[in-house]
Amino acid sequence: GAGVSQSPSNKVTEKGKDVELRCDPISGHTALYWYRQSLGQGLEFLIYFQGNSAPDKSGLPSDRFSAERTGGSVSTLTIQRTQQEDSAVYLCASSLEWARAQYFGPGTRLLVL
Amino acid sequence: AQTVTQSQPEMSVQEAETVTLSCTYDTSESDYYLFWYKQPPSRQMILVIRQEAYKQQNATENRFSVNFQKAAKSFSLKISDSQLGDAAMYFCAYRSLQGAQKLVFGQGTRLTINP
Repeated sequence: GAGVSQSPSNKVTEKGKDVELRCDPISGHTALYWYRQSLGQGLEFLIYFQGNSAPDKSGLPSDRFSAERTGGSVSTLTIQRTQQEDSAVYLCASSLEWARAQYFGPGTRLLVL
Repeated sequence: AQTVTQSQPEMSVQEAETVTLSCTYDTSESDYYLFWYKQPPSRQMILVIRQEAYKQQNATENRFSVNFQKAAKSFSLKISDSQLGDAAMYFCAYRSLQGAQKLVFGQGTRLTINP
């Protein structure tokens, strides 16, 4: 595939459960971003990976959120002990190093009941 | 920290007409990038147009063009010959050249195209 892919497309979970969201960036893109889109907060940056450098986690809202990127490609965003306020669309984007534009995936809509 | 403001929560336009979406931003940096993204109901964020701050010439992409006023920190999007497929949320975004180079988004403008 040519674009960024994300899975699952939708996820419904119960409060307190852990969830994993997956992002597959465009082949060859070294930079990978996670953003969250919610009604109250708009679009907000969560975390950034660039090559083998340490990730920039400055946007993660709490220590319940973590992310990893294996082999410089696929990334997983994990939310532990989910809360209702975690309900949002989680968007992943990738770009070439030092490129100008980020290209987004279709997002994962998370609903915490 | 940089901020981006879109003061028009909703806009509407007649098909084939021209519409302009407003965006202002605040930064102390001299070099950066600006973008307009489109998000249709499918929720896929689609890049519409980009502008490098060091370029004085306004970017154009087919029916889409921008009016970049660096001193005024303004970056408006003009859509000419509006089509039904242009209906979407439009987000203005700022990207620093420092640090994580994350995108800072405005609140978005919902554009409706009336047939």
